[in-house]
Amino acid sequence: QSALTQPASVSGSPGQSITISCTGTSSDVGGYNFVSWYQQHPGKAPKLMIYEVSNRPSGISNRFSGSKSGNTASLTISGLQAEDEADYYCSSYTRTSYVFGTGTKVTVL
Amino acid sequence: EVQLLESGGGLEQPGGSLRLSCAASGFTFSSYAMRWVRQAPGKGLEWVSAISGSGGVTYYADPVKGRFTISRDNSKNTLYLQMNSLRAEDTALYYCARVCGSGHCLDCWGQGTLVTVSA
Repeated sequence: QSALTQPASVSGSPGQSITISCTGTSSDVGGYNFVSWYQQHPGKAPKLMIYEVSNRPSGISNRFSGSKSGNTASLTISGLQAEDEADYYCSSYTRTSYVFGTGTKVTVL
Repeated sequence: EVQLLESGGGLEQPGGSLRLSCAASGFTFSSYAMRWVRQAPGKGLEWVSAISGSGGVTYYADPVKGRFTISRDNSKNTLYLQMNSLRAEDTALYYCARVCGSGHCLDCWGQGTLVTVSA
């Protein structure tokens, strides 16, 4: 199972909005509404930010939103803040297992 | 507070074995499926193995199938990963994580335990 494709890096200024894409196939992202997104700060464990494409867990800021179109899922961070600087990973169900994305480093300029 | 604490990592030679443990607290352990996820140094996340709440159903990623065994002791609130025939490419930080109630995400992660496979 190949990893889902994410851009290596995305950057933005404080207050701006950025979008991270996550491209798979009809066997994973396109086939199921089971895409989740994780934030990982350096040296820390991943943290769930979005589940089932667009749902936010309790306690996650509404600045984070998720969507999907065809085989590509997206995570949008609006009102970018310094604390959002981290690595972000998508993940999808694949009928028999799960697969993560390649990861995106978000830099706040 | 939900907590997961991994242990058992260390330096092992190629071909050797290690058993990782993950002690859970703050929730009804037997009600949740669990997974192991690893992250090689400077690399991305990789799903390793999963187990149902009862322990009766298990899944493995292809790279570890036949070498790793996931298990759990619900009376001790502990998850395990028995790692045999270790290879250099198994070197990684190993996280245990709780599967969401919906079944398709990971809503709580431990801090990880480092496994290094080297001669």
